[in-house]
Amino acid sequence: KAGVTQTPRYLIKTRGQQVTLSCSPISGHRSVSWYQQTPGQGLQFLFEYFSETQRNKGNFPGRFSGRQFSNSRSEMNVSTLELGDSALYLCASSLGLQDAYEQYFGPGTRLTVT
Amino acid sequence: GEDVEQSLFLSVREGDSSVINCTYTDSSSTYLYWYKQEPGAGLQLLTYIFSNMDMKQDQRLTVLLNKKDKHLSLRIADTQTGDSAIYFCAVFSGGYNKLIFGAGTRLAVHP
Repeated sequence: KAGVTQTPRYLIKTRGQQVTLSCSPISGHRSVSWYQQTPGQGLQFLFEYFSETQRNKGNFPGRFSGRQFSNSRSEMNVSTLELGDSALYLCASSLGLQDAYEQYFGPGTRLTVT
Repeated sequence: GEDVEQSLFLSVREGDSSVINCTYTDSSSTYLYWYKQEPGAGLQLLTYIFSNMDMKQDQRLTVLLNKKDKHLSLRIADTQTGDSAIYFCAVFSGGYNKLIFGAGTRLAVHP
């Protein structure tokens, strides 16, 4: 079974631009969660989608948004990029059910904002 | 709010056992996880334990949970150089699929 895939793997953007990252979950998984990893703040939860609905959201500004498609693939968008948005963005895939406790992560997208 | 704490660094000799510790504050956490991250990679799920368990063993990995003290540990037996990585403790927080992570423990294995 293929794992979680994220595209692109690396991105370089300029302050003020916007960016869209993509995540394809494991086949059959309906939940996708997004995390930001930085040296200073560590791993922080952004949001979670299940069946095209956002079920949970972390403490990030409105510049960070996401969506999920009917095939469970998810995208996250960051608008008006700031230098502090430079990070590794990880998505996690799970069945999304109450007793589905295993979350599998993709390799991440490394975003650099200059 | 929820908090997860880990020591930042551990150095062990190849062949010895490694013990990585973690404490957490959210007593309602139902699932507790250990993830491994190698340089330039994502997070690899190593193992997890339900909050109603005290111990879980999986090959070279042993997880111990002390709910009273909110303490979780990961023991790696016969540690190898390939075990060198950052290990993250994470707890399932109230709400859908939200994990709270510790800062990670960097494990260095030397000959």
